[in-house]
Amino acid sequence: AQSVTQLDSQVPVFEEAPVELRCNYSSSVSVYLFWYVQYPNQGLQLLLKYLSGSTLVESINGFEAEFNKSQTSFHLRKPSVHISDTAEYFCAVSRETSGSRLTFGEGTQLTVNP
Amino acid sequence: DAGVTQSPTHLIKTRGQQVTLRCSPKSGHDTVSWYQQALGQGPQFIFQYYEEEERQRGNFPDRFSGHQFPNYSSELNVNALLLGDSALYLCASSLLATGSYEQYFGPGTRLTVT
Repeated sequence: AQSVTQLDSQVPVFEEAPVELRCNYSSSVSVYLFWYVQYPNQGLQLLLKYLSGSTLVESINGFEAEFNKSQTSFHLRKPSVHISDTAEYFCAVSRETSGSRLTFGEGTQLTVNP
Repeated sequence: DAGVTQSPTHLIKTRGQQVTLRCSPKSGHDTVSWYQQALGQGPQFIFQYYEEEERQRGNFPDRFSGHQFPNYSSELNVNALLLGDSALYLCASSLLATGSYEQYFGPGTRLTVT
């Protein structure tokens, strides 16, 4: 079985500061990796994904994540955050052999302050 | 293009009662997965339906059951409700037939058991 650990439950930052949300996973087989964002009282929205190829993946709103196989990590970064980035962020993994079933981490609450 | 829809939005039930939640997948998708998200936690996989069959199941008791209809929509049924069943129930759809591992989530149904 696989598991996901999000190392920080809460990350407060000031607007325009850089941020990193950390995610480590464990799995004995190859995995696909995802970051989802959840705004208050809403469902989950896919932010970015790593399936294969380049280990650096980017989203349309300035977030990026790098797959590091040796460190089994998939940290999420943004060089300059906005107040609108305030949300809960979930890291998730899916095994190649398990279809699209996702295993989620506990989530990281990102709060961007003015 | 309609995304994933769920009904109802909110629901209040009493311990011991039964509840049915509904989900319509994104247009063109053939697979529906259900997740339970307790307050302050990441979503937990309940089960997945493909071709009207339960394809995978997470660590949930038999009180949780489901169904997928020929139009790919799905229902989640929970019998003998417990206080601990209070959570946000998320439905996600994907297109398994093409090997896509990307899931699209609905807004969820907030279930409160009193």
